[in-house]
Amino acid sequence: GQQLNQSPQSMFIQEGEDVSMNCTSSSIFNTWLWYKQDPGEGPVLLIALYKAGELTSNGRLTAQFGITRKDSFLNISASIPSDVGIYFCAGRGGNEKLTFGTGTRLTIIP
Amino acid sequence: GAVVSQHPSWVICKSGTSVKIECRSLDFQATTMFWYRQFPKQSLMLMATSNEGSKATYEQGVEKDKFLINHASLTLSTLTVTSAHPEDSSFYICSARVLTGHSNQPQHFGDGTRLSIL
Repeated sequence: GQQLNQSPQSMFIQEGEDVSMNCTSSSIFNTWLWYKQDPGEGPVLLIALYKAGELTSNGRLTAQFGITRKDSFLNISASIPSDVGIYFCAGRGGNEKLTFGTGTRLTIIP
Repeated sequence: GAVVSQHPSWVICKSGTSVKIECRSLDFQATTMFWYRQFPKQSLMLMATSNEGSKATYEQGVEKDKFLINHASLTLSTLTVTSAHPEDSSFYICSARVLTGHSNQPQHFGDGTRLSIL
């Protein structure tokens, strides 16, 4: 099945640093979603974006829906230990199905 | 917020056994639920879309006779892995979307079921 290109694949940062990750697609999406997945659990929704150009924040998280509708980025400011996990972008088209990105694994170095 | 419950969370069984996984929307109704499979260190791959009161829609390459889906009510969908073999071992995750007249509702995910076939 199709997957979105998500980068970076992994990140090793120190606590307090800012994080940036992005997703690109060859297809246009109507909705972009960002999820976080902890080991052995299902993805948890972080931010949902519904309009091209939309910039939305959720606490220390900020995400944007690209103008071309083919990309999105997620920023995390002032990272903390509980930010560790795998972050997935997901795009939703007209058929309501979600296409997931390849994931970004975030590790915080003590 | 919207809560999706999945049961069981972990199954270990012998090859040839059929395994049923339940997905329930606890505080909302969902005409559509989705079933995903996730192999270790990989992303989620959609297997099928479960529609209440009608047949499920399967993604290309997913055997409908192998992965039986039943969506008998607005709050429950089940996935049965029939005659499971070791290659079916994976993390199975369901999701549901809140049923409203507004189309902009994200999918909420269950906590997944880890299936291990010996």
